[in-house]
Amino acid sequence: ILNVEQSPQSLHVQEGDSTNFTCSFPSSNFYALHWYRWETAKSPEALFVMTLNGDEKKKGRISATLNTKEGYSYLYIKGSQPEDSATYLCAFISWTNAGKSTFGDGTTLTVKP
Amino acid sequence: NAGVTQTPKFQVLKTGQSMTLQCAQDMNHNSMYWYRQDPGMGLRLIYYSASEGTTDKGEVPNGYNVSRLNKREFSLRLESAAPSQTSVYFCASSENLILRGDEQYFGPGTRLTVT
Repeated sequence: ILNVEQSPQSLHVQEGDSTNFTCSFPSSNFYALHWYRWETAKSPEALFVMTLNGDEKKKGRISATLNTKEGYSYLYIKGSQPEDSATYLCAFISWTNAGKSTFGDGTTLTVKP
Repeated sequence: NAGVTQTPKFQVLKTGQSMTLQCAQDMNHNSMYWYRQDPGMGLRLIYYSASEGTTDKGEVPNGYNVSRLNKREFSLRLESAAPSQTSVYFCASSENLILRGDEQYFGPGTRLTVT
């Protein structure tokens, strides 16, 4: 079983604050890392697919970076809005675990107006 | 274009009963997956199907069986439900097996309670 950890488990910020959280994964046999956004009562939706060390992806106010050598990815939200409130999941895919993505437990973000 | 659909949305079973959760996708995806999600935990893979005609075990396959009926449909069967199988079940699909880096598209989930 691969160990994928997300921190913090939960985060409460004020509207307008910028925030970031971490996904840690095994640094060996890396293939890809996915970030998903999961709003309450909805299904997870893909945010980013990251495959190369040093990858930086951006979608609006949300961006992500990837360091495969040290085994972590950061997700940043600039100027948080209440509609950013959701659980953010990362999923790690390795060469040795072909076809199986291992999800972290998620970081739940609450943005207060 | 409905994406990934699941039925039923809610189900209550008694211990020992059996049932099948249905999943269908209309995106012409090759690969499909079943996950369970328990409180405080992430998604755990039960079974997956890389392509029509193939299925493989995931992280937590015990107590479940699957059928890839055709390219569109992937069902999950509980032969003898147990309280430990109380969970929210998500079906997902991707264009190809995740090794291609393709993201997954998730269905709305089935909330199952076993009493």
